[in-house]
Amino acid sequence: DAKTTQPPSMDCAEGRAANLPCNHSTISGNEYVYWYRQIHSQGPQYIIHGLKNNETNEMASLIITEDRKSSTLILPHATLRDTAVYYCIVGAYGNKLVFGAGTILRVKS
Amino acid sequence: DVKVTQSSRYLVKRTGEKVFLECVQDMDHENMFWYRQDPGLGLRLIYFSYDVKMKEKGDIPEGYSVSREKKERFSLILESASTNQTSMYLCASSSRGGATDTQYFGPGTRLTVL
Repeated sequence: DAKTTQPPSMDCAEGRAANLPCNHSTISGNEYVYWYRQIHSQGPQYIIHGLKNNETNEMASLIITEDRKSSTLILPHATLRDTAVYYCIVGAYGNKLVFGAGTILRVKS
Repeated sequence: DVKVTQSSRYLVKRTGEKVFLECVQDMDHENMFWYRQDPGLGLRLIYFSYDVKMKEKGDIPEGYSVSREKKERFSLILESASTNQTSMYLCASSSRGGATDTQYFGPGTRLTVL
């Protein structure tokens, strides 16, 4: 069973920041938070991961709360091409990743 | 650019046929995975492999087998295809030596069993 809870869908205006929440209240100390996305008819794509510090890369930022029970993926300037299903996954290094239902993000012009 | 390729994007087979789905990665990754994806059920892990000739069952291995004779190639086999195996099949690979379990996915094979 997935260890995360995400809203089933969200809308975002093009050019605005998209903030996708994820709850993982049972996360263990050695478990990472991973984010992937899946654009229609494609395989999932890795976005970012973190353990306890906030992380940023060329695609997104990941904000993890101090108690690590929740996190937020931020796409700073969403475009229409960011419309996808976003998966928040919790797992320890070396263990298999379990994909839940994810959040459908719709970016609208 | 990392690359995971799958032999077919679309495949139609008949009930009872033996089906081979091939996956090739060019990143020298140790780990390879097979998932299936169905509406409302998300991605479910069928089998994975941590090394050549090694395999581990995932969450739904029944009705499937795998083969990993070479590091870059991981095959999923449906010994006798059934209609409930109609699905999107996704292959992925990852590096054991990396700092994370970042998995790189192929484009998927949409299999229809009639």
